[in-house]
Amino acid sequence: GENVEQHPSTLSVQEGDSAVIKCTYSDSASNYFPWYKQELGKRPQLIIDIRSNVGEKKDQRIAVTLNKTAKHFSLHITETQPEDSAVYFCAGSRGYNKLIFGAGTRLAVHP
Amino acid sequence: KAGVTQTPRYLIKTRGQQVTLSCSPISGHRSVSWYQQTPGQGLQFLFEYFSETQRNKGNFPGRFSGRQFSNSRSEMNVSTLELGDSALYLCASSLSGDDEKLFFGSGTQLSVL
Repeated sequence: GENVEQHPSTLSVQEGDSAVIKCTYSDSASNYFPWYKQELGKRPQLIIDIRSNVGEKKDQRIAVTLNKTAKHFSLHITETQPEDSAVYFCAGSRGYNKLIFGAGTRLAVHP
Repeated sequence: KAGVTQTPRYLIKTRGQQVTLSCSPISGHRSVSWYQQTPGQGLQFLFEYFSETQRNKGNFPGRFSGRQFSNSRSEMNVSTLELGDSALYLCASSLSGDDEKLFFGSGTQLSVL
């Protein structure tokens, strides 16, 4: 069935370091891969997304890479700041806005 | 532009009761999808509506149902509530049926006692 695995479940870094979160999907028909950030008590917010016809996408300090062959995609955050602390969710979709989410990664950035 | 609005924000019900949750999408958005968020199961897809038609459904029992109105507002209903239905129910809207950039509401926190 459709499944997205996400690692690690928790990640602790020092301010200024880089953070990498990795996801693996099972459905080879998935063609859209968004990343959502959810701060404590807040709604999930889209921070970056990538489609299957693109290998990499960057937006300031955030980048996402996709390896279709291996069914892997990753989120890279550079120069982390305390306000980056949140739970990050990856997801995969094959259409019709049905997102299959990973279990989430709790990122803590320490000053 | 107003965001996705969900009402009520909190609900407390007892087992066996029924509940209806409401979602108003961003103006102009025609797709509304619903997700259940729990600490144990994470974010799970319930169903998605586009132009009043359910296009996709997740793996939830028939006690979970929904509908969408002509103004794109959506409701979801859970009948015969169980303790395990306690969760944050999130609604998300999208401009069209294909762009898949979801904008989430703040959710309805349902507690079943």
